[in-house]
Amino acid sequence: DSGVTQTPKHLITATGQRVTLRCSPRSGDLSVYWYQQSLDQGLQFLIQYYNGEERAKGNILERFSAQQFPDLHSELNLSSLELGDSALYFCASSAAGGGMNTEAFFGQGTRLTVV
Amino acid sequence: ILNVEQSPQSLHVQEGDSTNFTCSFPSSNFYALHWYRWETAKSPEALFVMTLNGDEKKKGRISATLNTKEGYSYLYIKGSQPEDSATYLCARNSGYSTLTFGKGTMLLVSP
Repeated sequence: DSGVTQTPKHLITATGQRVTLRCSPRSGDLSVYWYQQSLDQGLQFLIQYYNGEERAKGNILERFSAQQFPDLHSELNLSSLELGDSALYFCASSAAGGGMNTEAFFGQGTRLTVV
Repeated sequence: ILNVEQSPQSLHVQEGDSTNFTCSFPSSNFYALHWYRWETAKSPEALFVMTLNGDEKKKGRISATLNTKEGYSYLYIKGSQPEDSATYLCARNSGYSTLTFGKGTMLLVSP
């Protein structure tokens, strides 16, 4: 058990809908990262939050947004969903704020299926 | 090399075989190289984080080496066991907060 909790584990929704994925980081970790794993793609970095502030942004669509709350849990909001948004979404946490010379701990992911 | 590339894409070995995979990455602006092990239906689990050229790390039967000047890392598994079956991911960090992942090497070890 990595200590990172993601909910829900599975989500099936229709095109055009909006969903929220939740992540609780490992105790003491201030950084939360969101990654997307689509078919035949490597893990794609979406966004990072550090202690409540956005720290880095990757290939995140404008239809997607995220935030980190004072208790350090994070939510990834996906709206106007399209079939191509179907993927495995991972949350990871680490103690690092900047350069990652320490390991990241991953949750088990949320499998999103858009129908 | 512009991205992180891993080879082979998949590998099937027999129990007891030793094997190795390659991770190639841009050598410029290098900060750290991560290896992760990802079993089906589980979360990726960190194996090693390496930062220095010439670094060698070992955990049980698994070891890794790093060459930052030429931009590659090798992961070795000695005496593969069925429980080693997983996807092995490498990821490069360039000093910012992000990891750029390769697509992984899928290892299957048959009894």
